[in-house]
Amino acid sequence: EPEVTQTPSHQVTQMGQEVILRCVPISNHLYFYWYRQILGQKVEFLVSFYNNEISEKSEIFDDQFSVERPDGSNFTLKIRSTKLEDSAMYFCASSIRDRGLGELFFGEGSRLTVL
Amino acid sequence: RKEVEQDPGPFNVPEGATVAFNCTYSNSASQSFFWYRQDCRKEPKLLMSVYSSGNEDGRFTAQLNRASQYISLLIRDSKLSDSATYLCVTPGYGNKLVFGAGTILRVKS
Repeated sequence: EPEVTQTPSHQVTQMGQEVILRCVPISNHLYFYWYRQILGQKVEFLVSFYNNEISEKSEIFDDQFSVERPDGSNFTLKIRSTKLEDSAMYFCASSIRDRGLGELFFGEGSRLTVL
Repeated sequence: RKEVEQDPGPFNVPEGATVAFNCTYSNSASQSFFWYRQDCRKEPKLLMSVYSSGNEDGRFTAQLNRASQYISLLIRDSKLSDSATYLCVTPGYGNKLVFGAGTILRVKS
């Protein structure tokens, strides 16, 4: 069964450092997302990406965040200068259809710990 | 009003019990709704989609009430393996799916 894969599974970094989280969405999916979940809190939308551009972003997704699809398979989330409050589980998701119609398939997540 | 609201629980039920969760949403234009299941420290996984008045899949039934803007999830004959957090999900304003905070279910033997 095709799946969304994410790397790394866990990253520990110092405050102020840059972090890149990587995702390989399901190959025939067209819509890509990043969500995050702070421990004990709800899953929060960060950004959606379609046709090689951001289609929507939340207020969390400020100038410190960026996304890229550098090739035909990878989808990355970069945090330029990490803060303590960026510590969370970051989930990548993809879907074959737009958010209202299709199932979101999630990766297993990348746990980011900022010290 | 929050876009999606759920009773956080926890709901502690014995095996075999029937349990129901409710979820309210604020975007009256939403056309599709989802229940996701999330195990501890794992990714959310789709449990059911609800596009019209309701959907049934084995022991699970989801119902939609557009007039009151809520959806419900009913689990019959609860199993230990049903213990998880159940997330109500609906399209928010704009191009995103919005997750509720989740309802914790604990099924005990």
